[in-house]
Amino acid sequence: KQEVTQIPAALSVPEGENLVLNCSFTDSAIYNLQWFRQDPGKGLTSLLLIQSSQREQTSGRLNASLDKSSGRSTLYIAASQPGDSATYLCAVKDSGSRLTFGEGTQLTVNP
Amino acid sequence: ETGVTQTPRHLVMGMTNKKSLKCEQHLGHNAMYWYKQSAKKPLELMFVYSLEERVENNSVPSRFSPECPNSSHLFLHLHTLQPEDSALYLCASSQAVGQFRDTQYFGPGTRLTVL
Repeated sequence: KQEVTQIPAALSVPEGENLVLNCSFTDSAIYNLQWFRQDPGKGLTSLLLIQSSQREQTSGRLNASLDKSSGRSTLYIAASQPGDSATYLCAVKDSGSRLTFGEGTQLTVNP
Repeated sequence: ETGVTQTPRHLVMGMTNKKSLKCEQHLGHNAMYWYKQSAKKPLELMFVYSLEERVENNSVPSRFSPECPNSSHLFLHLHTLQPEDSALYLCASSQAVGQFRDTQYFGPGTRLTVL
């Protein structure tokens, strides 16, 4: 059974800092890995999707990497802003329809 | 409206009540999903529908009953719930089930409280 772990569970940084969120998964037989953002009481917004054959994806200040063989992904946020404060969720997709989620990292960026 | 919408956004119900959650997607997708998000736990997939047929049911108690009358609408009928069923219920849709590049789009969720 796939398990996804995210470290740290919570992170508080001053504005402008670069930061890294970590995600690990136990079964490397994945189709893709996705990073989502969730604001309090809201649904999920997809940030980046990395296919299993890819090593990284970039969107603006966000960069996600994938090392499938070691079961790890990182989400790098450059020059963090207070508007980046949210919970960031990592999810891996297996051969079926299932997305397996981690518990998330709650990020607070202080002005 | 665009994207995935869910109603109601908040629901408080007693254990003997019957209520329904509604999800509607305006993206032309063929697959729809129900997830449960409890405090301090990862999202749990509950049900998956593809072209109005249920293709996955992850050992969800029978007090949760899904219905998908067409590819744009998904319901979750609730009856005789327990307090531990209190959670955020999220609906999602995607182009199709199991596609390599498929991305799921999520609604805002229904915050359910069972008293």
